[in-house]
Amino acid sequence: DVKVTQSSRYLVKRTGEKVFLECVQDMDHENMFWYRQDPGLGLRLIYFSYDVKMKEKGDIPEGYSVSREKKERFSLILESASTNQTSMYLCASSFPGLAITGELFFGEGSRLTVL
Amino acid sequence: QKEVEQNSGPLSVPEGAIASLNCTYSDRVSQSFFWYRQYSGKSPELIMSIYSNGDKEDGRFTAQLNKASQYVSLLIRDSQPSDSATYLCAVNIDAPGGGADGLTFGKGTHLIIQP
Repeated sequence: DVKVTQSSRYLVKRTGEKVFLECVQDMDHENMFWYRQDPGLGLRLIYFSYDVKMKEKGDIPEGYSVSREKKERFSLILESASTNQTSMYLCASSFPGLAITGELFFGEGSRLTVL
Repeated sequence: QKEVEQNSGPLSVPEGAIASLNCTYSDRVSQSFFWYRQYSGKSPELIMSIYSNGDKEDGRFTAQLNKASQYVSLLIRDSQPSDSATYLCAVNIDAPGGGADGLTFGKGTHLIIQP
């Protein structure tokens, strides 16, 4: 069974803290993605990666960075958390050719609250 | 930046009726279109894909695409209470330099099937 695992389901952090969100997939997928989901704003792409050490900015990369040192792991980093980064963060993975398959496999999400 | 527009709803439909969900997109070069379903508190899952003008049927679900009008829809026949969810329209995006591809999502339509 395909699996995308996000390390933390719920996190509470303080403004200015550095936050790491970890995502691991066991499907040998080349592509990995970080989205955030907010009421009224939908799913918005933050960053994605199509290979180890490769990354591409999505629609809202400001305030975030990512790391992909191993194929199965994709980390989202908030260098200095702010209250407007309070959100549900969803990690996803896929094989290449997403334009054909359209199938993203999502993790269960990490709900981050920044106080 | 590609945009995908959906009516946020809620769309309320009696059980057994046809639910019609609509989506428009801004980029004429988009070639692949997808519908995801997201139950409350869960992650999105792919339910339909469509690439050519016309209709594509899968069980009670029919996806319709009109590229000239930049319009894609999802029909759910014989609606059931278990169909109550948020439905997300997605279109493919291409990374700069052709490095990878990804999906841009609409904000989703909240569908309620009334027993």
